[in-house]
Amino acid sequence: DAKTTQPPSMDCAEGRAANLPCNHSTISGNEYVYWYRQIHSQGPQYIIHGLKNNETNEMASLIITEDRKSSTLILPHATLRDTAVYYCIVPRQAGTALIFGKGTTLSVSS
Amino acid sequence: EPEVTQTPSHQVTQMGQEVILRCVPISNHLYFYWYRQILGQKVEFLVSFYNNEISEKSEIFDDQFSVERPDGSNFTLKIRSTKLEDSAMYFCASSDSDRIRAEAFFGQGTRLTVV
Repeated sequence: DAKTTQPPSMDCAEGRAANLPCNHSTISGNEYVYWYRQIHSQGPQYIIHGLKNNETNEMASLIITEDRKSSTLILPHATLRDTAVYYCIVPRQAGTALIFGKGTTLSVSS
Repeated sequence: EPEVTQTPSHQVTQMGQEVILRCVPISNHLYFYWYRQILGQKVEFLVSFYNNEISEKSEIFDDQFSVERPDGSNFTLKIRSTKLEDSAMYFCASSDSDRIRAEAFFGQGTRLTVV
C-alpha cells in the first residue's frame, strides 16, 4: 500500500467538527483513499473513500487535495460515540487486501 | 442491514489444540478475508480468499493456518496447533467487488485465548 502518515492522536469537543489529516504523498494516479475506523476492539468499519473529488456521505466528508498527496476526513458534529481509531488506507491496487497502520486515536469529550 | 457474523464470540483453548473460527460473510459477497489483532496492537492482515482459493496471504499465515469455504455460506479459519502468541481477536471480512475491494465489511470478531 502507498505509505500513509497520520497523527497518533487527536482530541475534539463534542458537537464540534473533527478534522483528521492523512498524508499520502506517494499515491499514484489510480489509487483510492479509504477511511475506516475501529471503535474499542470492534471490527473495523468502513467510512468513506475517494479518488480525486471530495466525497460526502451520512457519516463523514472526505477532502482530497488537488495534488492528491493528502486528505482530510471531516466528522461535522462529533459525538462521544465517534471516539475511535481512524485509519487512512491507500490500497496499492484493486484486488489487494487492506493493510492497516496505527491510525489516529480520536477522543471526543463532552 | 446485512452483516458479517462470526462465531464463537470468545473461545478459550489449550496450547497445542486445534481451533476453527467460523464466519458467515454477507450473502452476495465473493471476496473474503481474515485479520487478527493482538491486544493493544494494530489490525494485521492474514489472508484473502476468492473463487475457492487463497488470493493473497501475509507472512503471519504460515502452515499452522488454513482457510476453507466448506459450503455456500461459511468461511472458516483453522489453526492446527495453537500457541500462546495466537491469542488475539480474529476478524472476518467480506466484500462484493474487486474493483473497489477495499470497501470491506467486518464482523465483530472472535476473541481467541490460548492458555
